[in-house]
Amino acid sequence: NAGVTQTPKFQVLKTGQSMTLQCAQDMNHEYMSWYRQDPGMGLRLIHYSVGAGITDQGEVPNGYNVSRSTTEDFPLRLLSAAPSQTSVYFCASHPSGLNYGYTFGSGTRLTVV
Amino acid sequence: EDQVTQSPEALRLQEGESSSLNCSYTVSGLRGLFWYRQDPGKGPEFLFTLYSAGEEKEKERLKATLTKKESFLHITAPKPEDSATYLCAVHPVSNTGKLIFGQGTTLQVKP
Repeated sequence: NAGVTQTPKFQVLKTGQSMTLQCAQDMNHEYMSWYRQDPGMGLRLIHYSVGAGITDQGEVPNGYNVSRSTTEDFPLRLLSAAPSQTSVYFCASHPSGLNYGYTFGSGTRLTVV
Repeated sequence: EDQVTQSPEALRLQEGESSSLNCSYTVSGLRGLFWYRQDPGKGPEFLFTLYSAGEEKEKERLKATLTKKESFLHITAPKPEDSATYLCAVHPVSNTGKLIFGQGTTLQVKP
């Protein structure tokens, strides 16, 4: 199994540009989420989804948009990139049970200049 | 407010020198507490889920324990390959799909 796949691994954007970070999982997990990781701040939840067609906001949702049309995919859209969105982004998924925790992707390192 | 605090921020050990990492948490209701390992440039890797006070889980040189207010990750006779950042996270009862993370403890084990 591939687990959780994130693309791209690295991206540089100019302020004001938009882009989509891709996330796909092949484990048939109901729940998916996006986190950003910043030095000294830990991992913070951006948006999450409890199933296809259902999404909700996390702790730091401003400037980001999500949709979940299939169980497998959960893309994160940056509407108008700002330098404050420079971060490492992780996508995660998990089933209804927690015995095996959340499975994280390998991350996308985004720099906004 | 739900909160997770890890200590120390950084820990240096000699190979074979056992120690413990601390995770203190405040949460309205705990559905589960997780420990993760994160290597530089990689995503967090799941280690343990703990559900209730008194529970313990082991994996190789790692042992995680849980009380009503904190969790410990005990590292016995560590090796250089145990060097990583260890993250603690809680999953509140009231939220689905939401983990609250501590800031992590960066462990360095010297040969």
